[in-house]
Amino acid sequence: GDSVTQMEGPVTLSEEAFLTINCTYTATGYPSLFWYVQYPGEGLQLLLKATKADDKGSNKGFEATYRKETTSFHLEKGSVQVSDSAVYFCALSDRAAGNKLTFGGGTRVLVKP
Amino acid sequence: NAGVTQTPKFQVLKTGQSMTLQCAQDMNHEYMSWYRQDPGMGLRLIHYSVGAGITDQGEVPNGYNVSRSTTEDFPLRLLSAAPSQTSVYFCASSYPTGPGTYEQYFGPGTRLTVT
Repeated sequence: GDSVTQMEGPVTLSEEAFLTINCTYTATGYPSLFWYVQYPGEGLQLLLKATKADDKGSNKGFEATYRKETTSFHLEKGSVQVSDSAVYFCALSDRAAGNKLTFGGGTRVLVKP
Repeated sequence: NAGVTQTPKFQVLKTGQSMTLQCAQDMNHEYMSWYRQDPGMGLRLIHYSVGAGITDQGEVPNGYNVSRSTTEDFPLRLLSAAPSQTSVYFCASSYPTGPGTYEQYFGPGTRLTVT
């Protein structure tokens, strides 16, 4: 079946540091890829997405590129803020069942001032 | 729009008790889903629905029942709670944004503890 693997946290950074969270996937079909963010005490919010190879999703300074050859969708941000402290989830959906998401285990990010 | 709402926010049950987690959405989305979130495991799909009257099992359906009598509501029932069902439960609704691609909106979650 489909699966998503992302780096374990917690990741602790200083403000204005560069953030990378690795995400790789296995899928039987041609999936769409997502990054969701969960702020403390809240539900998940869609951060960005990419639906085909070489697509770059971006939002709020975060970027991720759909790399089919390496089955990866790494999340990056050039200069993090304290407000970026959250748990980040990589996820995929298969086109045959696009309303169902398969999630990675989540990566907690803590940004210190 | 209120989006996706869930009640209650917190619940403590004793083993063997039953309860229903409520989920409602006001966006007229056909698709709704229930996930559970456990530490280090991300979210796992319990049940989902592609429209009123139509439900199906996800990855971890055992111990849970669902029904979908209206587009707006998608309750999750625990018939006989077990400690293994201690988790945070998220409801989501979604709509198609392109071929095979959906945008999902999540509720704020229900934290359930079974003692």
